[in-house]
Amino acid sequence: DAGITQSPRHKVTETGTPVTLRCHQTENHRYMYWYRQDPGHGLRLIHYSYGVKDTDKGEVSDGYSVSRSKTEDFLLTLESATSSQTSVYFCAISEGTSSYEQYFGPGTRLTVT
Amino acid sequence: GQNIDQPTEMTATEGAIVQINCTYQTSGFNGLFWYQQHAGEAPTFLSYNVLDGLEEKGRFSSFLSRSKGYSYLLLKELQMKDSASYLCAVRDGDYKLSFGAGTTVTVRA
Repeated sequence: DAGITQSPRHKVTETGTPVTLRCHQTENHRYMYWYRQDPGHGLRLIHYSYGVKDTDKGEVSDGYSVSRSKTEDFLLTLESATSSQTSVYFCAISEGTSSYEQYFGPGTRLTVT
Repeated sequence: GQNIDQPTEMTATEGAIVQINCTYQTSGFNGLFWYQQHAGEAPTFLSYNVLDGLEEKGRFSSFLSRSKGYSYLLLKELQMKDSASYLCAVRDGDYKLSFGAGTTVTVRA
């Protein structure tokens, strides 16, 4: 299994509070991704990174920001959490092989009350 | 934008065969992936097709037709542990994937 961890694994927070989720990898893979997964929508890309300090927006980036100061860590921040951001968040990594297949972390279940 | 369609749910009997179809309309195409996701767990990689044809991996096979924008995942000799969601994903350009909503397969005894 790819060495990917996410923290925290579960979090309950109140509307309006800032929240940071962490993704940590030990594979030295170049590409990292944050997804959210909601019933009926599948996995939707929030932000991704193609190197240290190189990030870009995905299809559902509003209300989220990211940072990558080291190869192994990719942080996702909700500046002011809203109930619509209640979801399961997955981090994924990939390397520059021919397929760019992605390996997923265990997920973080976030509830915004 | 990307449009990736797959059935929402399928039910089959243990020992049987199930075929999960995926159709896609994307701005580009650089490969199609299938992932398996058990309830409450992370998706895990099953297969990758970039050329037309069938790729076989044990009880699982995946087929691709690029001209038709179509793929299927074939699960043979179904086991109870195959009850899961199966996600179709397309790499349309560089290294990002676009996912379908997933197909929940229920295997009954």
